Amino acid sequence: DVKVTQSSRYLVKRTGEKVFLECVQDMDHENMFWYRQDPGLGLRLIYFSYDVKMKEKGDIPEGYSVSREKKERFSLILESASTNQTSMYLCAIPSGGANGELFFGEGSRLTVL
Amino acid sequence: DQQVKQNSPSLSVQEGRISILNCDYTNSMFDYFLWYKKYPAEGPTFLISISSIKDKNEDGRFTVFLNKSAKHLSLHIVPSQPGDSAVYFCAAKGYRDDKIIFGKGTRLHILP
Repeated sequence: DVKVTQSSRYLVKRTGEKVFLECVQDMDHENMFWYRQDPGLGLRLIYFSYDVKMKEKGDIPEGYSVSREKKERFSLILESASTNQTSMYLCAIPSGGANGELFFGEGSRLTVL
Repeated sequence: DQQVKQNSPSLSVQEGRISILNCDYTNSMFDYFLWYKKYPAEGPTFLISISSIKDKNEDGRFTVFLNKSAKHLSLHIVPSQPGDSAVYFCAAKGYRDDKIIFGKGTRLHILP
């Protein structure tokens, strides 16, 4: 069974705080992705990583950074959280199929006050 | 510019009837199309996909139809069940591209 584990299911932070969202996979896959999901806006790609220490910006990278020091762990960092970063954050890895299917973690619901 | 469009934010269907969710795309270089289902407070789960060289793929109650000339695909669920109430995302993958592009989603309500 594929496992993508997101460290925190629910977080509440204050504006200006630094926030770390962690994702761990057990499939030894090179690629890992961070999306955010907002009602009416769908899933939007923030950053992805195609190997250790390698990263690439997605569609909405502003206000975020990432870290991939080990293959199994991909962290999303909000340097200074803002209220418009209140969202559901989803980590994903490819299943390995030709169709590009992604396997998602359960999500981290972040509220910034 | 949106490459994958789901123009209906929500849809209500009677239990037992057919649910049809629609999706349009603009990029003719997509090689796979996927549908995901998402319940509140959970990650999306993969439902079904179709290759761009096919026009239909079926898996149990779920069938996806692809019309390449119209750049349109649809997901049919029959018969609809209460557990089908969720948000459905249409998604697409480009040739030699690992990134998946998602539509904005359609919320499906199955009415008793």
